[in-house]
Amino acid sequence: AQSVTQLGSHVSVSEGALVLLRCNYSSSVPPYLFWYVQYPNQGLQLLLKYTSAATLVKGINGFEAEFKKSETSFHLTKPSAHMSDAAEYFCAVSDGNQGGKLIFGQGTELSVKP
Amino acid sequence: KAGVTQTPRYLIKTRGQQVTLSCSPISGHRSVSWYQQTPGQGLQFLFEYFSETQRNKGNFPGRFSGRQFSNSRSEMNVSTLELGDSALYLCASSLGLTPSYEQYFGPGTRLTVT
Repeated sequence: AQSVTQLGSHVSVSEGALVLLRCNYSSSVPPYLFWYVQYPNQGLQLLLKYTSAATLVKGINGFEAEFKKSETSFHLTKPSAHMSDAAEYFCAVSDGNQGGKLIFGQGTELSVKP
Repeated sequence: KAGVTQTPRYLIKTRGQQVTLSCSPISGHRSVSWYQQTPGQGLQFLFEYFSETQRNKGNFPGRFSGRQFSNSRSEMNVSTLELGDSALYLCASSLGLTPSYEQYFGPGTRLTVT
């Protein structure tokens, strides 16, 4: 069965500092991996998606994530945090064989201090 | 291009009642997925429809049902509401079955059951 674990329900960084949000997955087949962001009172917005084309995936708003099969990880990073990055971030996995079923992690709330 | 729209945005119902939520996908999108988001359980997949057919279903009781119309609009229905059904219900549309196609999420319908 697939699963996703996001380490840290809350991460706080200073503006301009590195953002690192951790995600580990479990999948019996090569997975599709996603990072979504959710701002208050809004739906989810796709930041980036891994589909085995390249291990380093670049997304929107300066975010990127690296797929590491040996570590079953797909951590999200951004070199320099901006106040507007404060939101909740979700990692999700799909094995590609179950249609639209995404399995989400519990989410990490990112706070950015001025 | 207009995004995914969900109506109503907020809803208050009494235990035992039933409710119908509506989702209008992005024009041209044929797949609609529904998710339930709660603080305790996080984001959980309910079901996915493609070309009016349910393609995948999550682990929810039969009180949760859905359908898709020929214009790809979708509705989900919850009968005999329970307090635990209070949640944000998110709809997502995509051109085709995910994960091959990106899911675009609506703002959600916040259901409160009293």
